[in-house]
Parts: sequence; structure tokens; C-alpha cells
Amino acid sequence: EVQLVESGGGLVQPGGSLRLSCIVSGFTFSNYEMDWVRQAPGKGLEWVSYISSSGSGKYYAESVKGRFTISRDNARNSLYLQMNSLSAEDTAFYYCARDGGTWNNDYWGQGTLVTVSS
Amino acid sequence: QSALTQPPSASGSPGQSVTISCTGTSSDVGAYNYVSWYQQHPGKAPKLMIYEVRKRPSGVPDRFSGSKSGNTASLTVSGLQAEDEADYYCSSYGGSNRYYVFGTGTKVTVL
Repeated sequence: EVQLVESGGGLVQPGGSLRLSCIVSGFTFSNYEMDWVRQAPGKGLEWVSYISSSGSGKYYAESVKGRFTISRDNARNSLYLQMNSLSAEDTAFYYCARDGGTWNNDYWGQGTLVTVSS
Repeated sequence: QSALTQPPSASGSPGQSVTISCTGTSSDVGAYNYVSWYQQHPGKAPKLMIYEVRKRPSGVPDRFSGSKSGNTASLTVSGLQAEDEADYYCSSYGGSNRYYVFGTGTKVTVL
């Protein structure tokens, strides 16, 4: 069974940093591209970042470029999102999602909530 | 990276059909056959329902179908059932910079 489990969310002050993790199981992690997608409470989905299967290719939404860094450890079946210079606009549920191969996300984690507030 | 445009809401009675539109541009929806649709129930993670415009993942009922014409993609849910009441989002690949965009979302209500 494919599983993706995010962790690392919480309350952080504006300007602060947070590192999200996503541990996967049930498939060969190193064969798949991965994404982070976020959803502000009561709002729609927003793609945040992509990473290739090897980790060499990375892309970011304009809203997070220069502040967020995606990475992965294929030996640990883990995906990460380092978030710096956080603002209230970054408050959201953050989902890790497996890329199905043609710009779709076929499996999702349950999400972790990041709240940026003083 | 503007969001794709979807109607805020749609509704239908059990057994009826409902169609949701997803309008993009010639740089995303109109340029690639990489439109996907997701269903999201309250408090749950999104679920992939349609990919590559019209393909259904294993386990998704054939009541769900997708299509595309020009810059607009559509999701049709036939034979509406109570469990189809949810939010639906489209998405599309937008090209060179791995530009990936979601729609604004549509709340489907089963009357």
C-alpha cells in the first residue's frame, strides 16, 4: 500500500523557518518525481515545488522561489521542504504528492498544517 | 502563474449529470494534453480522478469522464451519487519552467 506521511508543521513566527518532511512507503521512491502542494484553510490548491527522481531537477512556484528549498533522500525514502522567511501568506496545509509521470499527482499524504503568526 | 478558472459551484440531483469547466490559456490547457482532475472531500487529501485529459486511474468509476476543447477542459460526472458531493480541482502543465497550475475549484452539491 502506498503511503505518504508528512510531518514538521506547526506554529512559527513571521520571518521564521520550518522544515517539512514526508516519509513514503509502498513504492520505489527513487523512481518517482515528487511535488509539494499547499492549501490555505478554506482556499484552493496551489502547487509549491517539484523535484526530479534523482533530485537534480527542482522547480518552484514564483510565490516561494528564493525562500523554499525542496530536497530528497532516496536512501531514507524521504522528501523535504525547507521554508525560510515565512509570512502569513504561507499559512496552509502542506501536502507531499507523488508525481504520476505526466504532470499529475496520483498519491497524496494527509497534509501537515503550517501556521505563520505572531 | 494564474490559476485556471472554474465555476465556484455546480449541482445536480441524484442520477443526473453535472459538468465542470476549467478554462486556461493557449500556454497551458490549450497547449498540452496534461489536464488532471482531483476530488477533495472536507478534511481529506485530494484524490486523482482523471489524468491526461480523459484517462481514469484504476478504481475510479466510469461515471467520471474528461474532455478538452481548445483552452477549456471539462469534467462530467454522470449518474450523480451522494458521495460525489465534494470540491473538484483541475490542473494543467504549463511548459518549460515546470509550470504546474491548479484551477480555482468547484464545489459540487448533490441536491
